[in-house]
Amino acid sequence: GAVVSQHPSWVICKSGTSVKIECRSLDFQATTMFWYRQFPKQSLMLMATSNEGSKATYEQGVEKDKFLINHASLTLSTLTVTSAHPEDSSFYICSAPFGTQYFGPGTRLLVL
Amino acid sequence: GDSVTQMEGPVTLSEEACLTINCTYTATGYPSLFWYVQYPGEGLQLLLKATKADDKGSNKGFEATYRKETTSFHLEKGSVQVSDSAVYFCALSGNNAGNMLTFGGGTRLMVKP
Repeated sequence: GAVVSQHPSWVICKSGTSVKIECRSLDFQATTMFWYRQFPKQSLMLMATSNEGSKATYEQGVEKDKFLINHASLTLSTLTVTSAHPEDSSFYICSAPFGTQYFGPGTRLLVL
Repeated sequence: GDSVTQMEGPVTLSEEACLTINCTYTATGYPSLFWYVQYPGEGLQLLLKATKADDKGSNKGFEATYRKETTSFHLEKGSVQVSDSAVYFCALSGNNAGNMLTFGGGTRLMVKP
């Protein structure tokens, strides 16, 4: 089946730094990818829709200047958490559609 | 807007017990319905899906039937195993496969030997 990868799987950073998370579709092309955030023991919350060749669409309440999304190619979308703070610590998951939605394994971010 | 409601957990069962996790939805049109499973420390995996009314999705002994009349998609398994311990998410999406998924809150299942 289709595979979506994320890198890194774990990241620990100091408050104020920026962190880039990559989402790749390994064996299919995706003009759209989705970024979710999951807090401990909670459900996934859609943050934004990443669109190849155009701007991302952000959900209400998500700061676009805080969470920069770039859909660089048909197989790569990146999420950059700028000036990260401890409250940004979370599990970030991307997905890409290929008949159905395929999810990446997630990236756990811990901001100290 | 679309929404998914599923029973709160945790659900604790003994091995070989029967499992039902309730899921109901609110949506316009004819959504596709999904169950995803998240094992500890891992990302989401599609468990099963159904794309139209009365369809039954099944995988790994789990089943769910798309009931339009009751707007439900309950997950069932006749005999759970310890390895089924995970968080289960019910979700729906519009007719376009590129549409985003709307998730329920998740139900944690713990199976004890």
